[in-house]
Amino acid sequence: EDQVTQSPEALRLQEGESSSLNCSYTVSGLRGLFWYRQDPGKGPEFLFTLYSAGEEKEKERLKATLTKKESFLHITAPKPEDSATYLCAVRAGNNRKLIWGLGTSLAVNP
Amino acid sequence: ETGVTQSPTHLIKTRGQQVTLRCSSQSGHNTVSWYQQALGQGPQFIFQYYREEENGRGNFPPRFSGLQFPNYSSELNVNALELDDSALYLCASSLGAGYGSAGELFFGEGSRLTVL
Repeated sequence: EDQVTQSPEALRLQEGESSSLNCSYTVSGLRGLFWYRQDPGKGPEFLFTLYSAGEEKEKERLKATLTKKESFLHITAPKPEDSATYLCAVRAGNNRKLIWGLGTSLAVNP
Repeated sequence: ETGVTQSPTHLIKTRGQQVTLRCSSQSGHNTVSWYQQALGQGPQFIFQYYREEENGRGNFPPRFSGLQFPNYSSELNVNALELDDSALYLCASSLGAGYGSAGELFFGEGSRLTVL
């Protein structure tokens, strides 16, 4: 069964303290891995799409990487405004739906 | 460029009632998908509409139904509401619905449904 697991469930950082979030997946025929950010009470906001192992994408303080089994979202020198839940999702095989992880809740203290 | 808008933002219903949620897709997007997100969970795929036809469905019972209109806006209808239907219902629009289409979904703010 296709599955996406994110860790840790929650992470608390000091402003400027870099860290990484993990998204591991077991799917048949990966057709894309997606990172989203979700603020409380709002819909997810698209961040990145990764399609093949070795691919990397960057946006401001965020950098996403992909291997054959997992993806990392690296946060460099985070700021309080980076506080949110970060969701990972995959599309596999011929399935139109996205399979989502439970997310990592990130809090960045000033 | 107009983003995805959903209405209502919050609503309260009782068990057994019916509800209709509405979504206007982002300008130029022809595909709408609906997700249910319970508190502390990731979104769960309900179904997707492409050019007014349902072309993908998750593990939800038939009492969850939908429509897409010629202007690509969409409705989600839920009949015979149950307590477990309480959740945030998210609408997402995208361009293209084929297997090769990108997964970049643009979400609305959601409709928070509480069933008492």
